[in-house]
Amino acid sequence: DAGITQSPRHKVTETGTPVTLRCHQTENHRYMYWYRQDPGHGLRLIHYSYGVKDTDKGEVSDGYSVSRSKTEDFLLTLESATSSQTSVYFCAISESTGSYEQYFGPGTRLTVT
Amino acid sequence: AQSVTQLDSQVPVFEEAPVELRCNYSSSVSVYLFWYVQYPNQGLQLLLKYLSGSTLVKGINGFEAEFNKSQTSFHLRKPSVHISDTAEYFCAVSEKAGGSYIPTFGRGTSLIVHP
Repeated sequence: DAGITQSPRHKVTETGTPVTLRCHQTENHRYMYWYRQDPGHGLRLIHYSYGVKDTDKGEVSDGYSVSRSKTEDFLLTLESATSSQTSVYFCAISESTGSYEQYFGPGTRLTVT
Repeated sequence: AQSVTQLDSQVPVFEEAPVELRCNYSSSVSVYLFWYVQYPNQGLQLLLKYLSGSTLVKGINGFEAEFNKSQTSFHLRKPSVHISDTAEYFCAVSEKAGGSYIPTFGRGTSLIVHP
């Protein structure tokens, strides 16, 4: 299994509070991604990174920010959590894009009350 | 923008029966195609991928998929399913050039295998 961990695995927080989710990899892959998974919507890309300090937005980036200060860590921050951000968040990594497969972490279940 | 359509949100089937999960994509350029599986409470893992060459691709756990360029489809099949195949299946597409190399995912198909 690819070495990807996510922390925390479960979190309950209140509306308006900041939340940071962490993804850590031991594979030295260049690309890292944050997705959210919601029933009926499948996987939707929030942000991705193509190197240290290099990030770009995905299709559902509003309300989220990311940072990557080291190759192995990719942080997702909800500046002020809302109930619509209740979801399961997955981190993924890949060596490159195009023909390269993605490896997924175990997910973080976030509930915003 | 690329779009991926998984035509069935849920597919119920009896054990040992054949199954086909359908996937269509919108891109007119050359693509790479993937099927991922997600077992309950886990992340996704790769089942198979099509990069080039033979249009019939074999993957893990007895699954195979056929790339049809004219119909822009990449349907997943298994001749005889097992209870353990119950999972969510996702089709994903990335473009080779002139478009997004970041894969786009379909909404998923829930395969439910009944005894």
